Amino acid sequence: EDKVVQSPLSLVVHEGDTVTLNCSYEVTNFRSLLWYKQEKKAPTFLFMLTSSGIEKKSGRLSSILDKKELFSILNITATQTGDSAIYLCAVIPDNAGNMLTFGGGTRLMVKP
Amino acid sequence: SQTIHQWPATLVQPVGSPLSLECTVEGTSNPNLYWYRQAAGRGLQLLFYSVGIGQISSEVPQNLSASRPQDRQFILSSKKLLLSDSGFYLCAWGRGRSYEQYFGPGTRLTVT
Repeated sequence: EDKVVQSPLSLVVHEGDTVTLNCSYEVTNFRSLLWYKQEKKAPTFLFMLTSSGIEKKSGRLSSILDKKELFSILNITATQTGDSAIYLCAVIPDNAGNMLTFGGGTRLMVKP
Repeated sequence: SQTIHQWPATLVQPVGSPLSLECTVEGTSNPNLYWYRQAAGRGLQLLFYSVGIGQISSEVPQNLSASRPQDRQFILSSKKLLLSDSGFYLCAWGRGRSYEQYFGPGTRLTVT
């Protein structure tokens, strides 16, 4: 059975801190890994990672995938209160069409 | 541009009552459609997905069902709700071979 585990479960930091969120996975025939940010309602897409070792970056957020060790990290530098959200990691196995298997999420709270 | 709608936004229903949640997508044709459930503050569990009208696949056994009567309409139903059906229900759409999924605003269901 495909499995995605995110850690930590929740995290409280202060503005300006740097955080690292972890996502490990066990899937047969991995294809891609996606990160989403969920604030009040709908998750919004952040990154899709398919190749190992290539960093994706968007502003203060960056993510990298390690296909050998089966994990990905999402880094947020100089955190702001607006970064407070649940961060979701999802994987797509190669034989699953476009179905995503989600992890349990990491709840990040950034305090002023 | 594409938009996805869900309604109602919130719903409180007694145990044993029926359920019908609706999701519609605008601005695209023949989308892949998905229903997810999210327990409070946690990751998403895929319930159903559809690659075309009348084509529904179920990921988990439960007392819920889904239908796709039109290309851009996806309905989640139940004949008799259970307490355990409470949660946040998200509809999502995706295009063909693209792995990104775009989420609707969600419906918060409380079964009392």
